[in-house]
Formats: sequence, structure tokens, C-alpha cells
Amino acid sequence: GAGVSQSPSNKVTEKGKDVELRCDPISGHTALYWYRQSLGQGLEFLIYFQGNSAPDKSGLPSDRFSAERTGGSVSTLTIQRTQQEDSAVYLCASSLGSGVSYEQYFGPGTRLTVT
Amino acid sequence: AQKVTQAQTEISVVEKEDVTLDCVYETRDTTYYLFWYKQPPSGELVFLIRRNSFDEQNEISGRYSWNFQKSTSSFNFTITASQVVDSAVYFCALNPRAAGNKLTFGGGTRVLVKP
Repeated sequence: GAGVSQSPSNKVTEKGKDVELRCDPISGHTALYWYRQSLGQGLEFLIYFQGNSAPDKSGLPSDRFSAERTGGSVSTLTIQRTQQEDSAVYLCASSLGSGVSYEQYFGPGTRLTVT
Repeated sequence: AQKVTQAQTEISVVEKEDVTLDCVYETRDTTYYLFWYKQPPSGELVFLIRRNSFDEQNEISGRYSWNFQKSTSSFNFTITASQVVDSAVYFCALNPRAAGNKLTFGGGTRVLVKP
């Protein structure tokens, strides 16, 4: 079946603008995750959804970052007033369940460049 | 707090050589899962293996094998008879039960297999 898809694949934006990144999880996967991959920080967790609720938002770096998930499916990560340090690849993952044993399947990522 | 250390940042081998990637983890949780992911040049993280903290059996899958040793908190990965297609960045990750559903990744090891 189809894997996790993300859009856009690349996004270039000017400092101070808002951006929205979209994730479509694997059909039937109830858990959805956002991670960020940057040169300086490696792969870091941002937020996790179980259904439409987010039990763990501990990785969001500032209040400029927010995310929502609707219909237990698509998720949008929004970054307001982008800064250059937000430049990174934003990865979305989904898993069949929300236990620690479930493997997470990753999408191809959105490369965000803030100029 | 939990931590994953991949001490080797880059390994270069000639095709058909074996290569072993080290992974050392830290967690206070007694129940946890360990994962290995592969990130080829295309960028998408590909799940390779999951291992729980109560199962120290080594595992072999084709040319891949994993050695889990709780006594040394290590979960090493060996590629036997490497091929050019094995060239990628490999990440070890930890998910302790107490941490919820967020993966803690190591810094990754870049493997370059030369023909």
C-alpha cells in the first residue's frame, strides 16, 4: 500500500513568513509523529498524535510551532514567523498503534529553507 | 533522560567487506525498544529492525545481523559482504516505555561502500 506522504517536498520561504507542512500517514495508522532533521541537532522529536489529540508536544522548539491532525488522518505542521534556524528537513512518521513497540514508518520529508 | 551514541560518524569500505556499526544507549527504563533505520541518499528513513529489552537473541536477516548486549548497553549492526547499495546513513534509535512514543536517535553513521 501507499506509504507516508509529505508535501511540499521542498519549501523556500523568506524569514518572517508562515509555512504549513502537510503529512498523510499510512491508511489505518492511528499514531502520527513529526521529527526534524538538521545538521546541528540531528534527528529530534517534535510532536506525537494519537488520533486527533497530541499527548506529547514536548519537542516543539517554540510557540511559533504548532500542529494539528484532523479526522485521525492528515496532519499539518505550522511554523509562524519563520527564522533561519528553522531550516531543516521535517519528517513525518506513522505507526499502527501508539505503544513503544510499534515501528514508525517515515515519509520522504519536507526540506524547508528559510532565507 | 535517554541517549543514543553512535561513535562512528563515517565508515568507508570496499565492496564485499564486512562493516559493523556501533550503537550504545542509555536509559533508566527496564522496558524499552531499540531500532535501526537506514537513510539512503533519497532521504527517506527505512525501518530495518526492532528489538525489545527482554530479548537478547541476536538476529540475522540476509546480509544484516544485529548483536544486542544489555550488559554493555549496546545494539550493534553488521552488514556482511557489503554492496554499493548499502551506502547510506544508518541510525540507531531508542524508545523507552517511560518516554512515551518518541524515538531518541543517535547521530547516525554514514557508510560508503566503494566498488
